[in-house]
Amino acid sequence: RKEVEQDPGPFNVPEGATVAFNCTYSNSASQSFFWYRQDCRKEPKLLMSVYSSGNEDGRFTAQLNRASQYISLLIRDSKLSDSATYLCVVNSGSARQLTFGSGTQLTVLP
Amino acid sequence: DAMVIQNPRYQVTQFGKPVTLSCSQTLNHNVMYWYQQKSSQAPKLLFHYYDKDFNNEADTPDNFQSRRPNTSFCFLDIRSPGLGDAAMYLCATSSDTGIRPYEQYFGPGTRLTVT
Repeated sequence: RKEVEQDPGPFNVPEGATVAFNCTYSNSASQSFFWYRQDCRKEPKLLMSVYSSGNEDGRFTAQLNRASQYISLLIRDSKLSDSATYLCVVNSGSARQLTFGSGTQLTVLP
Repeated sequence: DAMVIQNPRYQVTQFGKPVTLSCSQTLNHNVMYWYQQKSSQAPKLLFHYYDKDFNNEADTPDNFQSRRPNTSFCFLDIRSPGLGDAAMYLCATSSDTGIRPYEQYFGPGTRLTVT
């Protein structure tokens, strides 16, 4: 089983749609959780840190379910500029060592 | 603006010819990382420096080495590049302290081609 698993997609959604990505992780001792976005041939950029109570940043909402070892990202009112690959990231081993999921590709269509 | 800088952005090297990639940061973060990312794959951690302490991942080939002469700079040396080493190499930094510990910030990457 992979340490971090994501549905690779692709997700093709119209502008204005709501889309949700899911991610599961295998290490029950993980304490740090993040969502990054990565544009084609660019570096990953931190989108959100995920806190145990769930957190929201504008159109983006992240949720964490420790019992099920499951993280989600909800994007409301999708924009064309949201088109990217979304990487679920979890610490493994020490808090400094992060394991990246393979990413979920999102395309927002006009 | 505080940032992570990588040079060069594109590097072409010949099979077996040593190459060095560089990373510098103005964030004053104590941890620096090197990742390898191949097309359509997740970034894979090669090693990281926690202050001056070097931490190698168990599956990182011996062909890959790193140096961190000071807080701001970190280098990735590939001693004898093979065709399978062609990839994007990403440098990242994080801090153990502050309000957002362990968040990693990436440089733009160096795309390595091996001919």
